[in-house]
Amino acid sequence: EAGVAQSPRYKIIEKRQSVAFWCNPISGHATLYWYQQILGQGPKLLIQFQNNGVVDDSQLPKDRFSAERLKGVDSTLKIQPAKLEDSAVYLCASSLAPGRPQDTQYFGPGTRLTVL
Amino acid sequence: GENVEQHPSTLSVQEGDSAVIKCTYSDSASNYFPWYKQELGKGPQLIIDIRSNVGEKKDQRIAVTLNKTAKHFSLHITETQPEDSAVYFCAPNTSGTYKYIFGTGTRLKVLA
Repeated sequence: EAGVAQSPRYKIIEKRQSVAFWCNPISGHATLYWYQQILGQGPKLLIQFQNNGVVDDSQLPKDRFSAERLKGVDSTLKIQPAKLEDSAVYLCASSLAPGRPQDTQYFGPGTRLTVL
Repeated sequence: GENVEQHPSTLSVQEGDSAVIKCTYSDSASNYFPWYKQELGKGPQLIIDIRSNVGEKKDQRIAVTLNKTAKHFSLHITETQPEDSAVYFCAPNTSGTYKYIFGTGTRLKVLA
């Protein structure tokens, strides 16, 4: 079974530029999550999708971050404009069942973003 | 909001020894308690989890124990091996929902 795929793996941009990350979840997984992991910290949930609808985006900085999940499969996360503090690893995860607390989340390898 | 703390932040053990990492949480409504392992350059991977109606769960060399009264749960790794070296995160859910709050992580080094 293929895992969660993310691209690019690394991205370096200057502040005020825009950037987009792509995620392809495990086939058949209805739920998709984007997390931000700052160096030395645990992942922090940014947004959760159930199929192609947003379930929770309470921690997404909506003035600069946006995300979409077209057709309930792939998802993109965009930052525009980027700030220095956005430097982090952006992790995508997916799970099979609709957000049950014991449902296993499978993580992709992440995209490491450096903002100069 | 939910407060999740892990101790210790770093842990070095000799190969073959045991390692214990403790996670303390504040949300009394948490009912799901997973542990994730994150290797360099990879995303976190679930290694063991426990639900609130169980006090202990074991899977080969790893085990998790839960004390809901005291609001803490611990990861136990026995007979440690160099490949156990990684960062470990606890991630209890909040208010019985899907939302996990990850701890600050524990870097485990197993010395050969």
